[in-house]
Formats: sequence, C-alpha cells, structure tokens
Amino acid sequence: EPEVTQTPSHQVTQMGQEVILRCVPISNHLYFYWYRQILGQKVEFLVSFYNNEISEKSEIFDDQFSVERPDGSNFTLKIRSTKLEDSAMYFCASSEILTDGYTFGSGTRLTVV
Amino acid sequence: AQKVTQAQTEISVVEKEDVTLDCVYETRDTTYYLFWYKQPPSGELVFLIRRNSFDEQNEISGRYSWNFQKSTSSFNFTITASQVVDSAVYFCALHDFGGSQGNLIFGKGTKLSVKP
Repeated sequence: EPEVTQTPSHQVTQMGQEVILRCVPISNHLYFYWYRQILGQKVEFLVSFYNNEISEKSEIFDDQFSVERPDGSNFTLKIRSTKLEDSAMYFCASSEILTDGYTFGSGTRLTVV
Repeated sequence: AQKVTQAQTEISVVEKEDVTLDCVYETRDTTYYLFWYKQPPSGELVFLIRRNSFDEQNEISGRYSWNFQKSTSSFNFTITASQVVDSAVYFCALHDFGGSQGNLIFGKGTKLSVKP
C-alpha cells in the first residue's frame, strides 16, 4: 500500500537553529499538508499546499515557517529559528482529491533543547 | 465555528468488552466529512474511516462499527470484543470547507486502554 514517508523520524536541535523536515507524499496525490501534535495534545493544522503554492495556513504557521516542493517528489517544512515550544511531532499528509481521506506519514518528532 | 468534541479523555476496559468512543461535531456547512484515526503508542496516525455528510448509513468493519447521526451531530465509534492491540488514542476529525479548501479539525482524542 502506498505510503507517505517522513524523514528523519526524530530530530534534536538547539534553540535558534534552522530545521528542515522532509516528506515524500504518495506519488499521484495532489494535496499536501503539515500538521503538528504537541506531546499529549490534539493534532493541529499548520498548512496546506496545492499546485505549488500554499492554499491555507493556520495562525501557528507564522513567518518562522515555510514549505516548499523543491522537486516532483519532496515536500519540506522549514522552521527558521526554532523555539522550545516548537517541540512536537510533525505529520505530513497527502490526498489525491480534496475530499479524500488523508494519508499521514509516521511523523517526525522534533525536540528543541 | 467548526469544532470536534471527544468528551471521554480516557477509557479503560477489560479485553472482550465492547466500548464506544463518542464524537460530537459542530459545523455550519452542509457538506463535510468525518473521520476516525487511531494513534498507537508508536505515534503514527492510522486512517480508520471517512464518512460524508450525505451518507448516514452505519458502517461495520470487522469488530469496528460507526454510528453517524446528523440529528445529534454525532459520529460514534464502537469496538466490539476489544483486544489489547486496540489500546491507542483515537481521534475523531471533521473536514469541512468553510468557503475554502478547508482542513482537518481534530478532537482532543480518547485514550483507550484495553487490559488483558
């Protein structure tokens, strides 16, 4: 069964450093998303991406965050200057059509120290 | 405003018991989708079911069943004859379109512990 692949599975970074979280969505999917889950809390929407541009973003997705689809397969989330409160599990997801169920990746656990 | 409420924070049952996880949602849209996801201790999100707002038929998949009632804005999930492997956090989610592409709005989750 097709999968959404995320790397790395766990990243530890120092406060103020830039991090890039990588995702390979399912190949025929057109809609891409990033969500995050602070430990023990609910899953929150960050951003959606379609046709090489951001479709929608939440209040969490401020100027410190950016997304990119640098080639035909990768979809990245960059955090420019990490803060302690950015520590969370970050999930990438993709869907073939807008109303489909999302397929989530297994997540990247980001720890900012 | 869109909202998903999972009032049960934690549920503990003994293996083979049936258990129902509640989900109540709020939306102004007439077209929306409801989902359940399972998050086992390993952390990934596993898709269980999608239901659109025009299909109120209940669904059964093995030991899992879902009861969708628009009149009460509920989409409850029942596990029959629970097993230890069912232990996980279960999230209910709503996708409406709010005039735009929309996104998934998750409830806070219900942690289910099934004891042998």
